[in-house]
Amino acid sequence: AQSVTQLDSHVSVSEGTPVLLRCNYSSSYSPSLFWYVQHPNKGLQLLLKYTSAATLVKGINGFEAEFKKSETSFHLTKPSAHMSDAAEYFCVVSDEDTDKLIFGTGTRLQVFP
Amino acid sequence: KAGVTQTPRYLIKTRGQQVTLSCSPISGHRSVSWYQQTPGQGLQFLFEYFSETQRNKGNFPGRFSGRQFSNSRSEMNVSTLELGDSALYLCASSLGGSGLANTIYFGEGSWLTVV
Repeated sequence: AQSVTQLDSHVSVSEGTPVLLRCNYSSSYSPSLFWYVQHPNKGLQLLLKYTSAATLVKGINGFEAEFKKSETSFHLTKPSAHMSDAAEYFCVVSDEDTDKLIFGTGTRLQVFP
Repeated sequence: KAGVTQTPRYLIKTRGQQVTLSCSPISGHRSVSWYQQTPGQGLQFLFEYFSETQRNKGNFPGRFSGRQFSNSRSEMNVSTLELGDSALYLCASSLGGSGLANTIYFGEGSWLTVV
């Protein structure tokens, strides 16, 4: 069965510094992986998705993620954090049999001025 | 094009009551899924409807039910509300295919508080 593990529950960075949010996945097959962001009191917004077309995936708002099969990782990065990036980020895998989404526990990103 | 729309956005109910939440998917999307989000349990899958049929179901008691109409709009119902049902209920829609076609878009959610 597929699963995702977000390695950090909280990450704090200063504005203008790089962001790294870590995610490891477990899957028997080549998975469909996603990163979603949730701002306070809001729904979930898709940042980017990996579906085996390219290992480096570019998303919205300057975020990107690299699929590394050898490390079973799909870490989310951004070169320079902005205050508006403060939110909860979810790494998600799509169940290969049912297509339902399996969410990680989330990483709360804080950005300090 | 309009996104996923959920109504009501906020509601307060009393234990033992029942509640119905509504979701209008993105135009052209045939799959609608429901998720429950709580601080303790995180995001959990409730069920998915595709072309008016329940296609997948999560591990929730029978008090949680849903349906989908011919225009793809969906409702979920929770009967005999318990305090633990207090949560953000998120609806998501997709075209319903696999791979790239399966990108799922979320609404802003319905905040349910049970007192």
